[in-house]
Amino acid sequence: EVQLVESGGGLVKPGGSLRLSCATSGFTFNQYYMGWVRQAPGKGLEWVSSIGTSDNTFYADSLKGRFSVSRDNAKNSLYLQMNNLRAEDTAVYYCTRAHGEHGLWGQGTLVTVSS
Amino acid sequence: EILMTQSPATLSVSPGERVTLSCRASQNIGGNLGWLQQKPGQAPRLLIFDASTRATGIPARFSGSRSGTEYTLTISSLQSEDFAVYFCQQYTDWPLYTFGQGTKLEIK
Repeated sequence: EVQLVESGGGLVKPGGSLRLSCATSGFTFNQYYMGWVRQAPGKGLEWVSSIGTSDNTFYADSLKGRFSVSRDNAKNSLYLQMNNLRAEDTAVYYCTRAHGEHGLWGQGTLVTVSS
Repeated sequence: EILMTQSPATLSVSPGERVTLSCRASQNIGGNLGWLQQKPGQAPRLLIFDASTRATGIPARFSGSRSGTEYTLTISSLQSEDFAVYFCQQYTDWPLYTFGQGTKLEIK
């Protein structure tokens, strides 16, 4: 079964850090672009970051310098390191695979930034 | 950045009705558009890709079309399980994706 399972979310204070993980299974991980999309409570979808098969990385302009995406092809896993977190980063973070006919979403992990 | 504009924001409809949702791109995206369905507390699910191709397991009552920069999702006969929020997503600019703000289908 093809699966994306996120973990690592939780409550963190403003200025803190958090590392999200996405464990994948059921497909050849190293052949796909992967990414993160977030959704603030009651809001729409916002693309956060993507990483290519050659470890080339891309970020939403508003997040550059604070977030870092990486992948471990040996572990079929995707990561998102989030630093200097702000209240507006509070959201469910979804792990995503590629797009189009290959598009797939995980169930998400909630990140809450609050003092 | 390519902007995606969905309309209407909310649509009140009755089960069995035919419904049409719209998504307009700020520039030509060449049919590189997907439609996603999201139910409360759940992750988005891919319904349509490449503007008009149904994803695996999606019922035939869902269809997508394109006219220039205007994209449409049609549900031919609404079922109770179709009441949800629908998002469009462009991927012509991949891996930089943008989404419409969503259309909520609610029961009339």
